[in-house]
Amino acid sequence: DSGVTQTPKHLITATGQRVTLRCSPRSGDLSVYWYQQSLDQGLQFLIQYYNGEERAKGNILERFSAQQFPDLHSELNLSSLELGDSALYFCASSSWTGVDYGYTFGSGTRLTVV
Amino acid sequence: AQSVSQHNHHVILSEAASLELGCNYSYGGTVNLFWYVQYPGQHLQLLLKYFSGDPLVKGIKGFEAEFIKSKFSFNLRKPSVQWSDTAEYFCAVKNYGGSQGNLIFGKGTKLSVKP
Repeated sequence: DSGVTQTPKHLITATGQRVTLRCSPRSGDLSVYWYQQSLDQGLQFLIQYYNGEERAKGNILERFSAQQFPDLHSELNLSSLELGDSALYFCASSSWTGVDYGYTFGSGTRLTVV
Repeated sequence: AQSVSQHNHHVILSEAASLELGCNYSYGGTVNLFWYVQYPGQHLQLLLKYFSGDPLVKGIKGFEAEFIKSKFSFNLRKPSVQWSDTAEYFCAVKNYGGSQGNLIFGKGTKLSVKP
């Protein structure tokens, strides 16, 4: 157990639907990052939140959105789902190691769009 | 924008063979480099990282990597692989945009070790 918790582990849904993925960071970590892992694109950075505020955006589609709540958990919302959105979605949190920030990853949510 | 290239998509080795996985990055300035491993069904785990100093970095489980600035490379090596090293390996570079930065990953190399 890495300390970063993601739910659900698996999700199967139909095209056009909307889903919400949840991530709880390691205790004390203020930053949450979302990544999408697919066979053709590899691991792509989507978005970062720090203490409730969006701090960096990567290759995130307009159909996707995220937020971080006061208790620091984060949710990634995926809407108007397409077959190509099927992927493994990872969440990570970061903390200061004394030299730089270290990143801890969750086990991911596998999304299958049918 | 920074990018990371991993040359091998899938590498198949026998136990005790030596391993070298290639990684090249695009950014010409100061870089922080990482190798992560993902065992089947598990989360990404840090193998090693380079920030500064000795370009030969030693990590966990007998892995090491060499930072060669002139070649923009950070190749991962292990002298003798074991069946338990079967996993997917990701090279990453730190992007300092935003707060605390974020990691830009290569597409990964799947390593299969035959017993």
